[in-house]
Amino acid sequence: QVRLQESGPGLVKPSGTLSLTCAVSGGSISSNKWWSWVRQPPGKGLEWIGEISHSGNTNYNPSLKGRLTISVDKSKDQFSLKLYSVTAADTAVYYCARGVGNGGSSDAFDIWGQGTMVTVSS
Amino acid sequence: DIVMTQSPLYLPVTPGEPASISCRSSQSLVHSNGDNYLDWFLQKPGQSPQLLIFLGSKRASGVPDRFSGSGSGTDFTLRISRVEADDVGVYYCMQALQTPLTFGGGTKVDIK
Repeated sequence: QVRLQESGPGLVKPSGTLSLTCAVSGGSISSNKWWSWVRQPPGKGLEWIGEISHSGNTNYNPSLKGRLTISVDKSKDQFSLKLYSVTAADTAVYYCARGVGNGGSSDAFDIWGQGTMVTVSS
Repeated sequence: DIVMTQSPLYLPVTPGEPASISCRSSQSLVHSNGDNYLDWFLQKPGQSPQLLIFLGSKRASGVPDRFSGSGSGTDFTLRISRVEADDVGVYYCMQALQTPLTFGGGTKVDIK
């Protein structure tokens, strides 16, 4: 059974960089899947951030205006999110998720991590 | 971006009774392969979202058959044939036809 687990700082200062890692267990990150990030501001809905394929192809949400990097470390079976120049608007629960599909992006997210709360505050 | 609109925002339900949620997209979600790239998720209180339906009408693994998805193009419906107490939470639709992938605003389902 594949499991995903997010980790990273729960507090980031404004203008700083939010860095999160998602560890994949029970399966290989090199499988033919997409590895995605989704966030949820407190009391609000879901926003897709972006994703990376097993081969390193990426899809990013343009709303994040080039502040985003998603990378994969196959040797550790984990993938990472870096969001630069953060503001209070980036405060949210961040989920990693596995995307399934054979096209150029995920068709659906079938496995989700438990989520990690990140607060942007001085 | 494709805009996803759900209704109602809040749905009080009676156990044992049916329930349905509507999702509308700002453009057709029909792929060139004929599939509708529309998914449904349930986020139970305090939990991560879980996949219920993908490609419009296909139930995800382990999802009870009382959940069904239907629709095509821009109009989709999630139906629960007989609501159970464990079905409470917020339901989201999501389009996967093109990036950025976008979610509906959510429908909160609660027991009357």
